[in-house]
Amino acid sequence: DQQVKQNSPSLSVQEGRISILNCDYTNSMFDYFLWYKKYPAEGPTFLISISSIKDKNEDGRFTVFLNKSAKHLSLHIVPSQPGDSAVYFCAASLYGGSQGNLIFGKGTKLSVKP
Amino acid sequence: EPEVTQTPSHQVTQMGQEVILRCVPISNHLYFYWYRQILGQKVEFLVSFYNNEISEKSEIFDDQFSVERPDGSNFTLKIRSTKLEDSAMYFCASSEETGLRGNTIYFGEGSWLTVV
Repeated sequence: DQQVKQNSPSLSVQEGRISILNCDYTNSMFDYFLWYKKYPAEGPTFLISISSIKDKNEDGRFTVFLNKSAKHLSLHIVPSQPGDSAVYFCAASLYGGSQGNLIFGKGTKLSVKP
Repeated sequence: EPEVTQTPSHQVTQMGQEVILRCVPISNHLYFYWYRQILGQKVEFLVSFYNNEISEKSEIFDDQFSVERPDGSNFTLKIRSTKLEDSAMYFCASSEETGLRGNTIYFGEGSWLTVV
């Protein structure tokens, strides 16, 4: 039961270009979405989040877009840097659920080539 | 920067044995969590813990699992009788009592459990 789907297991991008990571969800009761970054041998690190009442949130090089009608969100990284190479997880939490009960996607491995 | 620390980093255990995974959450945090990630799969929520009791648990967190905060600093996950399918990376996490949902959850580096 994949409520949060990241259909691209990997993505390769040239340094300086835009990276776009996509995420789809099925549960309309999700009201908060997050992106986490994970390096090998480390735990996930929070990157950026968006509430379901918004359609865009920007933080430096990172922007998350939410399209509720399509149940789709995306993470844009501009410009991409080699240090951005990591696995990116999309996560969602349910309205009324505890803040820790996050439902994760399987992740997309981003490789940024110099 | 404060961090969540986990021990051991890797443990190999025989099927049927009990395992205890230990975590030291960030000192001023009041919410504690365990997640797991089976190799190649997504990160899955197991349990959240607040005020010395479980506040929420997933379907995965059945009777073979238990959590405990035995003292003021440690937070443990016990797996009573391990099965092969318990092999996974187990992440401990903690968060402050207040704050925006999700973005104050800090994860440890994980404990890799291999059941043979």
